[in-house]
Amino acid sequence: KAGVTQTPRYLIKTRGQQVTLSCSPISGHRSVSWYQQTPGQGLQFLFEYFSETQRNKGNFPGRFSGRQFSNSRSEMNVSTLELGDSALYLCASSLPPNRDPSTDTQYFGPGTRLTVL
Amino acid sequence: GQSLEQPSEVTAVEGAIVQINCTYQTSGFYGLSWYQQHDGGAPTFLSYNGLDGLEETGRFSSFLSRSDSYGYLLLQELQMKDSASYFCAVNKRGNNRKLIWGLGTSLAVNP
Repeated sequence: KAGVTQTPRYLIKTRGQQVTLSCSPISGHRSVSWYQQTPGQGLQFLFEYFSETQRNKGNFPGRFSGRQFSNSRSEMNVSTLELGDSALYLCASSLPPNRDPSTDTQYFGPGTRLTVL
Repeated sequence: GQSLEQPSEVTAVEGAIVQINCTYQTSGFYGLSWYQQHDGGAPTFLSYNGLDGLEETGRFSSFLSRSDSYGYLLLQELQMKDSASYFCAVNKRGNNRKLIWGLGTSLAVNP
């Protein structure tokens, strides 16, 4: 079974631009979460989507948005890029939420390394 | 509030045993998970403790004590390839379960 894929793997943008990142989950996984990772800050949760609906949201400004399509693929968008947005953006997929929390295990993609100049 | 605390760095030698602690200040969670991330790589799932006690998976074991708000990851017979960052995370109860993450522990295994 193919893993989580993310495109592009690397991206260089300038301040003020916008960017769209894409994530394809593991087949059968319908929950997709997005994280921002910077050195020393661990994994900062952005948002989670399930069945095309945002299920959870982290503490990021409105410049960060996402969506999920009917095939469970997800995109996140960052508008008006700032230097501080330079980070590794990770997508993780998991099984549909159910009564067993042990199935919340997340499977991560390789990430998109965004550099804002 | 809700937070998880882990040591930022741990150093050990090959063949040794190391314990990475995770203490939390959050109530109402289902279980504690551990993930491993090598430099330049993606986090990968290691273990999940839904109940108090020890879970063993090969050289790695994980422990949870809800009464002590504490868990740990134990790595035995350390190998150079175990050099990585290790993250603990709790499944937070709520209308929608979500994972709350620690900041990670960077483990360096030296020869």
